[in-house]
Amino acid sequence: EAGVAQSPRYKIIEKRQSVAFWCNPISGHATLYWYQQILGQGPKLLIQFQNNGVVDDSQLPKDRFSAERLKGVDSTLKIQPAKLEDSAVYLCASSLGTGTGVGAFFGQGTRLTVV
Amino acid sequence: AQKVTQAQTEISVVEKEDVTLDCVYETRDTTYYLFWYKQPPSGELVFLIRRNSFDEQNEISGRYSWNFQKSTSSFNFTITASQVVDSAVYFCALSEDNNAGNMLTFGGGTRLMVKP
Repeated sequence: EAGVAQSPRYKIIEKRQSVAFWCNPISGHATLYWYQQILGQGPKLLIQFQNNGVVDDSQLPKDRFSAERLKGVDSTLKIQPAKLEDSAVYLCASSLGTGTGVGAFFGQGTRLTVV
Repeated sequence: AQKVTQAQTEISVVEKEDVTLDCVYETRDTTYYLFWYKQPPSGELVFLIRRNSFDEQNEISGRYSWNFQKSTSSFNFTITASQVVDSAVYFCALSEDNNAGNMLTFGGGTRLMVKP
């Protein structure tokens, strides 16, 4: 079974530029998450989708971050404009459903460096 | 609000030693789930175990074992006879069982270095 796919693996941009990350979850997984992991810290949830609807985006900096999950499968996360403090690894994860405590499976992440 | 604390930021052991990684959590919910993930240098988070709040039985899987104690809000992870391949960052995480979803709250992680 294929895992969670993310691209690109690495991205370097200048501050104030825009960037987008892509995620393809495990087939059949209804729930998709985007986490931000700053170096030396644990991942922090940015947004959670159930199919193509947003379940939780309370920690998403909406002035610069946006995410969508069209057709309830693939998802993109965008940052516009990027700041230096956005340098982090952006992890996408998916799970079968919500409210069941099922484990989430993570992709390898996209390492973003903002210079 | 939920919180997970991993007080040990870094542990260094010599191969074949046993090592315990501590995890303490806070939650107001009576139903919740606890997880451990491994993050090797390659970066992906590898799921190790999930435990629900009603199951306090300890679990053993090969060289890995987990000790869940609700009385102390702890979910500790022990690696027996550690190996160099166990070197990684280990995260403990908590998920509350509510209809809003099962987002994970992670601890800060413990970096384990196993030296040959």
